[in-house]
Amino acid sequence: DGGITQSPKYLFRKEGQNVTLSCEQNLNHDAMYWYRQDPGQGLRLIYYSQIVNDFQKGDIAEGYSVSREKKESFPLTVTSAQKNPTAFYLCASLAGGYRAGELFFGEGSRLTVL
Amino acid sequence: GQQLNQSPQSMFIQEGEDVSMNCTSSSIFNTWLWYKQDPGEGPVLLIALYKAGELTSNGRLTAQFGITRKDSFLNISASIPSDVGIYFCAGPRYSNYQLIWGAGTKLIIKP
Repeated sequence: DGGITQSPKYLFRKEGQNVTLSCEQNLNHDAMYWYRQDPGQGLRLIYYSQIVNDFQKGDIAEGYSVSREKKESFPLTVTSAQKNPTAFYLCASLAGGYRAGELFFGEGSRLTVL
Repeated sequence: GQQLNQSPQSMFIQEGEDVSMNCTSSSIFNTWLWYKQDPGEGPVLLIALYKAGELTSNGRLTAQFGITRKDSFLNISASIPSDVGIYFCAGPRYSNYQLIWGAGTKLIIKP
């Protein structure tokens, strides 16, 4: 079945460590996104990529990095520079065409810093 | 800047009740989207609205694109336990590639 796969679902990290969250899609979508979700808040955009080998910062990119070497993959690295990394991270891809915002989401990765 | 204000923040309802929630903005939107997020999962698109005044249904869900283009409403009829979750409104910001999100309405069904 087509969809978006995020891994790991749960991740624990010590302060000062970098961690990488995986996101893979087999929907043949060009655009992919990373969002951060904190309790009681809407989704905040970290990075997005409209096409392979290109990506743009979102509203809260500081302390995060991404790469887009393949259409199917858009990994997110949470670096030690991110001051408050404990959160739920969501990866999404965008269906093509002119219609706005019909995003498909993965099941999320919950990162906890110990 | 653009902001989406969702209300209510949370709702406690009895099974079988009808539910209404809304989303407002000081800016005009050309598209309104309603997503639902189950606990521990990613959001799923429920309804997309592309035209002012448009009324669209998806089963027991009905959403409307406000005529001023600054608001949208989502109604759920005869709620059932699987309706629990967080409902988000969203609209495109700057381009079709970016969305701005409301903070969500959390629906809880009283036992």
